Amino acid sequence: GAGVSQSPRYKVAKRGQDVALRCDPISGHVSLFWYQQALGQGPEFLTYFQNEAQLDKSGLPSDRFFAERPEGSVSTLKIQRTQQEDSAVYLCASSLGGVPHEQFFGPGTRLTVL
Amino acid sequence: GDSVTQMEGPVTLSEEAFLTINCTYTATGYPSLFWYVQYPGEGLQLLLKATKADDKGSNKGFEATYRKETTSFHLEKGSVQVSDSAVYFCALRGAGTASKLTFGTGTRLQVTL
Repeated sequence: GAGVSQSPRYKVAKRGQDVALRCDPISGHVSLFWYQQALGQGPEFLTYFQNEAQLDKSGLPSDRFFAERPEGSVSTLKIQRTQQEDSAVYLCASSLGGVPHEQFFGPGTRLTVL
Repeated sequence: GDSVTQMEGPVTLSEEAFLTINCTYTATGYPSLFWYVQYPGEGLQLLLKATKADDKGSNKGFEATYRKETTSFHLEKGSVQVSDSAVYFCALRGAGTASKLTFGTGTRLQVTL
């Protein structure tokens, strides 16, 4: 069965460029999460959607980061004016609902900012 | 805020050895606790979980017991296999957040023949 998919799998950007990362959750999953995983670290929460509503964006590191899920399915994480410190793996996860449903993770997008 | 501390790796063991990966946490209230595993080239997968004190989560021969008195959730396996080589992440979901996970830094396990 189809799991969570993310594209692109790898992205190289020059400092200052804008990037857009896509997440396709498991069909029917209401909740969607974005995490950032720096090299050698655990994932860190960025933001959470329930359907199209962004209920928690407390983890977004700056106003250069923006996420949307306009139709309650596919989500896009956009990073404007990328900086070297944005280099990381960006993970998307989806779940049927909130607690106690399991979060299923995608393979991630590895972003490298030169 | 919530935090998770797990032992640093890498951990290198011979096949059939006993495994322990330590995990302790800081959180208010009664969080749910998880172990995730990331095999080479794959995404994070839930390995096991426990949602209240003294619960034991288990899966694929791995076990972890939710110890509130020591705020710990140590991962154990009696006999590891080469196929267990992966990175293991301890995580918690806070009682008040109802959504986001807080992860430790991960422990790489390498099992050799």
